[in-house]
Amino acid sequence: AQSVTQLGSHVSVSEGALVLLRCNYSSSVPPYLFWYVQYPNQGLQLLLKYTTGATLVKGINGFEAEFKKSETSFHLTKPSAHMSDAAEYFCAVSRDSSYKLIFGSGTRLLVRP
Amino acid sequence: ETGVTQSPTHLIKTRGQQVTLRCSSQSGHNTVSWYQQALGQGPQFIFQYYREEENGRGNFPPRFSGLQFPNYSSELNVNALELDDSALYLCASSYGGRGSSYNEQFFGPGTRLTVL
Repeated sequence: AQSVTQLGSHVSVSEGALVLLRCNYSSSVPPYLFWYVQYPNQGLQLLLKYTTGATLVKGINGFEAEFKKSETSFHLTKPSAHMSDAAEYFCAVSRDSSYKLIFGSGTRLLVRP
Repeated sequence: ETGVTQSPTHLIKTRGQQVTLRCSSQSGHNTVSWYQQALGQGPQFIFQYYREEENGRGNFPPRFSGLQFPNYSSELNVNALELDDSALYLCASSYGGRGSSYNEQFFGPGTRLTVL
């Protein structure tokens, strides 16, 4: 069975500050890991993904995440927050890239001017 | 290239009624997955269709059913609506195939269903 835990339902940062959104997963098989962003009244957009290979993954809009197997973590970071980053972020795990995605409960990122 | 589209965007139904939601997959995609996202929660997998056949199902009762058509568009049907069915319903399409490695799921904007 697979599951995802996102620590912190809300994270607030100042514009220009580091963004850190936490994700821990549980999986009995080598996982595929994803971060999605959801803006109000919109669907989900893929930010980045880990399948195999390099554990530091770079995505769109300056985001990156590192797969740490020993810690079962896949935290999302961005060096400098922008007002446009304010949105809901979801971490997801899958056993296969096109099979079902198991999502965490989400973290709402607030960016203060 | 047309992305994933869903219709309608909003829908209001009363308890006990039936509803059909529609999804047009992205060009070239043959797999459609449906997710339910309740307010304040992450999406939950309902089921997936691959080449017109169900290819996996989440923990949803049989009153949630689906179809995939030869053009790979899809429908989600929910019978005997309950208040807890109020949610955003998301459709995602991808290209699946035996031996394929990574196939990203592209999400539509969703249908907001309200059950009164």
